[in-house]
Amino acid sequence: DAGVIQSPRHEVTEMGQEVTLRCKPISGHNSLFWYRQTMMRGLELLIYFNNNVPIDDSGMPEDRFSAKMPNASFSTLKIQPSEPRDSAVYFCASTTQWSLGEQFFGPGTRLTVL
Amino acid sequence: SQQGEEDPQALSIQEGENATMNCSYKTSINNLQWYRQNSGRGLVHLILIRSNEREKHSGRLRVTLDTSKKSSSLLITASRAADTASYFCATAPRGSGNTPLVFGKGTRLSVIA
Repeated sequence: DAGVIQSPRHEVTEMGQEVTLRCKPISGHNSLFWYRQTMMRGLELLIYFNNNVPIDDSGMPEDRFSAKMPNASFSTLKIQPSEPRDSAVYFCASTTQWSLGEQFFGPGTRLTVL
Repeated sequence: SQQGEEDPQALSIQEGENATMNCSYKTSINNLQWYRQNSGRGLVHLILIRSNEREKHSGRLRVTLDTSKKSSSLLITASRAADTASYFCATAPRGSGNTPLVFGKGTRLSVIA
């Protein structure tokens, strides 16, 4: 298996633009997590899905952030409109109910909002 | 606040020395995990210790867990320059099923050749 796949790896955009981050979890995994990592705040959970259903989005900072998981093999995190303070590395991770919670992380998307 | 808090925040040692990192947490857990993150990369799972275990080994890694003190330690023996990375502890809350891990802010380890 190729592991968790994220795209793009790097994104530079201007304030106000829409940004869409993509994630393909490991095949067979039924839980998917979106995290944001910054120097100041560390690794923050934004939202997670079980069996494609959003379970907890309390970590989503504002209404500008939204996430979808239309099927078991694809999820998106959208920021509209983007702001400079959204600059961070965004990670997607997946796991299976059989793994005792061990999470498998993607390589991340480094987002820079100018 | 973060469930897992690592200590120290940063550690610098010479190649060949042992590195010890500590983690404290607040609530009851199912298990505790350690992850490594190389610069610019995603987190990689290293080792998992269940709440009914006290010590676990994997290669040069040794993890201990003291549930009475709500603390864990990660020991890397005979460190190498390639061990330079950030190390995070993460806790799986008790009864959580497939719910999120709670990560600490990490320890930055530098191993000098």
